Amino acid sequence: GAVVSQHPSWVICKSGTSVKIECRSLDFQATTMFWYRQFPKQSLMLMATSNEGSKATYEQGVEKDKFLINHASLTLSTLTVTSAHPEDSSFYICSARDRRIGYNEQFFGPGTRLTVL
Amino acid sequence: QKEVEQNSGPLSVPEGAIASLNCTYSDRGSQSFFWYRQYSGKSPELIMFIYSNGDKEDGRFTAQLNKASQYVSLLIRDSQPSDSATYLCAVRQGGSNYKLTFGKGTLLTVNP
Repeated sequence: GAVVSQHPSWVICKSGTSVKIECRSLDFQATTMFWYRQFPKQSLMLMATSNEGSKATYEQGVEKDKFLINHASLTLSTLTVTSAHPEDSSFYICSARDRRIGYNEQFFGPGTRLTVL
Repeated sequence: QKEVEQNSGPLSVPEGAIASLNCTYSDRGSQSFFWYRQYSGKSPELIMFIYSNGDKEDGRFTAQLNKASQYVSLLIRDSQPSDSATYLCAVRQGGSNYKLTFGKGTLLTVNP
């Protein structure tokens, strides 16, 4: 149980284009999903917290107009990197929290490696 | 600024030895503590979590928590080459947002 998928697993795009990344909880309902970014040899940095049916909460320094997050259902959240630039190249990882009371763990998706040329 | 500190390593141990990984955190209100393992190029996978002071054992892994010292550790017994990875300590503050703050991770190398 507690499987989280991401799609695509990797993407290469040209500078200025937009890229959408999907995060799905496959066998549980996730009230809350989290989006992280990880640069090489760095730790995970939380970008935003996504709650089903409401606006995402962004961390300080993360541009909400550049990183659009939609959490339309209890099993799907999407991150759209708009007008991507080479400095946006990174490993993007989502996680999901099981909505059942008492489950505090976050289960991570496999990640999406974005390369912007 | 809530911080989670780990030695970056690398920590190198021979196969069969005990690996000891340490983590300190700054927020005294922290309630839950997690250890994740991350292989190169992969996403983190949860090893174990601990909420209460003391030790918690799961197979070859033991997590230790000392809230008074704001310190959490992970011991890996009988280390195997397959344990070679980066180990991330994560801390959840109190409240309902369930956000985790991650340390930078410790790179562990287990030598055959």
